[in-house]
Amino acid sequence: DAMVIQNPRYQVTQFGKPVTLSCSQTLNHNVMYWYQQKSSQAPKLLFHYYDKDFNNEADTPDNFQSRRPNTSFCFLDIRSPGLGDAAMYLCATSRDTGTAYSPLHFGNGTRLTVT
Amino acid sequence: GENVEQHPSTLSVQEGDSAVIKCTYSDSASNYFPWYKQELGKRPQLIIDIRSNVGEKKDQRIAVTLNKTAKHFSLHITETQPEDSAVYFCAGIGGGADGLTFGKGTHLIIQP
Repeated sequence: DAMVIQNPRYQVTQFGKPVTLSCSQTLNHNVMYWYQQKSSQAPKLLFHYYDKDFNNEADTPDNFQSRRPNTSFCFLDIRSPGLGDAAMYLCATSRDTGTAYSPLHFGNGTRLTVT
Repeated sequence: GENVEQHPSTLSVQEGDSAVIKCTYSDSASNYFPWYKQELGKRPQLIIDIRSNVGEKKDQRIAVTLNKTAKHFSLHITETQPEDSAVYFCAGIGGGADGLTFGKGTHLIIQP
C-alpha cells in the first residue's frame, strides 16, 4: 500500500554521467518535493512542484533539474553528478502548502552513489 | 527564510525515562511545526505536529508544546521504549514559504 514510490532504491552512477531518479504517488496530492539528505544530516529541500508550477530553492545547484509530466510522477535529473552529490534523495508529497500546509508523505528514498 | 535550531544533537536516556528535544525558529510568521522520526536507512515519518493556534498537543506517549512568544517548540516522549531509538527532526514552515525547513536532528538512544 505504498503511497509515494521511489525507484530505484539504490542507484550507482559515474562521475559526470547524467542520472534520473523517479517518484510516483497514488495520493493525488498537489505538491511534490525533492529533498537531498546526506549522512547524519537533515533533509534539505531542493525544489518542489505545486501542480505544474516549479519552485526552486535559491541555493539548489543548476546541476539539479526536475520534471513533473503529470500529477502522479516527478523526476529528479542530475546533469553531471559530482562526488559531493552522493546522498539519499527523498521524494515527498503534500496536499497543500503555505498556510494550508498539510503533512509530508515521504517515499523510501533513492540512495545515490557516485563513483 | 526560516531557520530552525535543534538541541541536543544526541540524547541518551534510560528505558522508561522521559526524553525532551527542543527546537527554536526564527520566522515569527511560521505556523506549522511537525516532528519526524527517522530510523536508520528508512524514510522520515511524521509522529506529531502542531499549528500555531495551539499551545500543546498530545498523542499517547508523545506530546509537543509550542511557545510562540519565545519561538520555540519541544517534543516530549514519556515512558521511553527501545523502539523509540531513532533520529528525530523538528521542522517549521516560514510565512509565505512553501517548503519545510528541518532542524539538524537529534539522535535519541534508549539505554536498556
